[in-house]
Amino acid sequence: HSALTQPPSASGTPGQRVTISCSGGRSNIGNHYVYWYQQVPGSAPKLLIYRNYQRPSGVPARFSGSKSGTSASLAISGLRSDDEADFYCAAWDDTLSAWVFGGGTKLTVL
Amino acid sequence: EVQLLESGGGLVQPGGSLRLSCAGSGFTFRTHAMSWVRQAPGKGLEWVSAIGGSGESTYYADSVKARYTISRDNSKNTLYLQINSLRVDDTAVYYCARLPSNVVVPAALLLNDAFDMWGQGTMVTVSS
Repeated sequence: HSALTQPPSASGTPGQRVTISCSGGRSNIGNHYVYWYQQVPGSAPKLLIYRNYQRPSGVPARFSGSKSGTSASLAISGLRSDDEADFYCAAWDDTLSAWVFGGGTKLTVL
Repeated sequence: EVQLLESGGGLVQPGGSLRLSCAGSGFTFRTHAMSWVRQAPGKGLEWVSAIGGSGESTYYADSVKARYTISRDNSKNTLYLQINSLRVDDTAVYYCARLPSNVVVPAALLLNDAFDMWGQGTMVTVSS
């Protein structure tokens, strides 16, 4: 049982836009920055979005993040086959004094 | 090139011990708090432990407290994780991850960040 809730799966066809949600509470998303990571199976997580919506250099503008209250979202537009991966949200939790992750969303490009 | 490189994983019997290392390069290691995150086979990411830039403060997940010890040697740009009394459910890939700030937990009312960089991971397998 993860402190942050993500849908286990998402899918779309090439060129489509997909959104992945991340739901938490006041002690985590409500009070702190949300980060998003992309993980291709067999590889390490890669930073995709930091501080709710900021993109590191090298991450395409097709990836965007947002946060409202105690929820956050990752949107991927212009879906490509090489976007297939697992996506995780993360935030610090004041109550647990720990970083918490979502359970991960497996993205399939049909 | 900015890089984190873990080592020290392997096959260990239940009850054994292991020390993982993570060498940082391409950035000023002492100015970043550092952390360990693990991922059991087929499972999601789980935060394990973190340490401030000067090593003055350490944090642990409840699930590993008392068995895990995080430390760092800034003269060697290296982060460590000592794992004792290993259990089968410690089996996982262990990643070291960098935090943007020098502190693990910022002052009250300030928003905290998460991990801005990850190593490639080292596999720990606990089995008899």
